[in-house]
Amino acid sequence: AQKVTQAQTEISVVEKEDVTLDCVYETRDTTYYLFWYKQPPSGELVFLIRRNSFDEQNEISGRYSWNFQKSTSSFNFTITASQVVDSAVYFCALSVDNAGNMLTFGGGTRLMVKP
Amino acid sequence: DTEVTQTPKHLVMGMTNKKSLKCEQHMGHRAMYWYKQKAKKPPELMFVYSYEKLSINESVPSRFSPECPNSSLLNLHLHALQPEDSALYLCASSQHTQGAGYNEQFFGPGTRLTVL
Repeated sequence: AQKVTQAQTEISVVEKEDVTLDCVYETRDTTYYLFWYKQPPSGELVFLIRRNSFDEQNEISGRYSWNFQKSTSSFNFTITASQVVDSAVYFCALSVDNAGNMLTFGGGTRLMVKP
Repeated sequence: DTEVTQTPKHLVMGMTNKKSLKCEQHMGHRAMYWYKQKAKKPPELMFVYSYEKLSINESVPSRFSPECPNSSLLNLHLHALQPEDSALYLCASSQHTQGAGYNEQFFGPGTRLTVL
């Protein structure tokens, strides 16, 4: 069985601070996929990134960066110079099915960025 | 068009009502999903359709009845719901091309359902 843990339930920062959201996963499968989704107050889950288990390269996209470390089973997400619009709930998710049918979500981290 | 649309945005219904939620995508995706999300919780998978056929039913009560009339549409028919069924219902779709790498799911904005 798969499990995703997001230990931080809520984080509050002041605008322009950097913030890291932690994600730890558990799976016995050697092939798996990791995701981050953003859920703003409007409700829609917005896909941010996918990583497969064979690709440990870190990724940067603008103010967002992701650190994938198989040795610690972690896939952490950092927002640099946070903005109020970053306020949302962020979910980390895992799948071991390459057809994408079964996503195991973490409990989510609510990020509040104050002006 | 990279959008999944859902109607209605909000729905209030009594326990004896029959209503339907609608989801539509025009991305050519062949897998579609229904999720239920309670406040401050992650989404929970309810159903998966692959190529218009029900492939996964996560032991959902029969008062929820999914339907996939064609590759672009997904419905969720509701009947005799309970107040505890009040939640945000999310629809998602993905390409579902097995063996070609992972296909991420794209979500709609959801329908906020309140059962009185």
